[in-house]
Amino acid sequence: KNQVEQSPQSLIILEGKNCTLQCNYTVSPFSNLRWYKQDTGRGPVSLTIMTFSENTKSNGRYTATLDADTKQSSLHITASQLSDSASYICVVSAYSGYSTLTFGKGTMLLVSP
Amino acid sequence: DTGVSQNPRHKITKRGQNVTFRCDPISEHNRLYWYRQTLGQGPEFLTYFQNEAQLEKSRLLSDRFSAERPKGSFSTLEIQRTEQGDSAMYLCASSRSSGGSNTGELFFGEGSRLTVL
Repeated sequence: KNQVEQSPQSLIILEGKNCTLQCNYTVSPFSNLRWYKQDTGRGPVSLTIMTFSENTKSNGRYTATLDADTKQSSLHITASQLSDSASYICVVSAYSGYSTLTFGKGTMLLVSP
Repeated sequence: DTGVSQNPRHKITKRGQNVTFRCDPISEHNRLYWYRQTLGQGPEFLTYFQNEAQLEKSRLLSDRFSAERPKGSFSTLEIQRTEQGDSAMYLCASSRSSGGSNTGELFFGEGSRLTVL
């Protein structure tokens, strides 16, 4: 069964600090991995998409890494801002004739002033 | 085009009533998805359209749920005889084909929050 596990479940950091969120997956056959940011009460917004051949991708202060061998990904947030407070969802796509997406439960990040 | 639009944003209904949600995807996107999300959980897949064809339905989509995309543009999700367990955020997303059947980047709407009393 395809699964995506995220850790930690929640995290509180001080404004200006860095943090790293983790995503482990058992999805096969792997196609790509996505990170989304979801503000409370809003729809998810895409941050990065990485394919098998990519091991790092940045979007401003967000940097995602992918290790397809160990089936792990991380999302690093640099110099956090209050507006980074949100849920961060890892989504893994499998492809075998058609595509299926498996969503993690998300990591809830609170950036405190 | 400003993105994926969903309405209503909020709906409160009594148990047993029917509700319908509408999703207007990004105009050039041929794929449309419905997801359900409850508090503290990631979105759960409900169904997927490519143009007007409904290609996949989740087991979560009981016979009380029906989705349509009659002209390959907007879509509706109807829930009949609502139950309290149907209370959730219903998210719509759209994407453009990116070669074969692989899923391109998903663009989500703001969601329709359903509360069943």
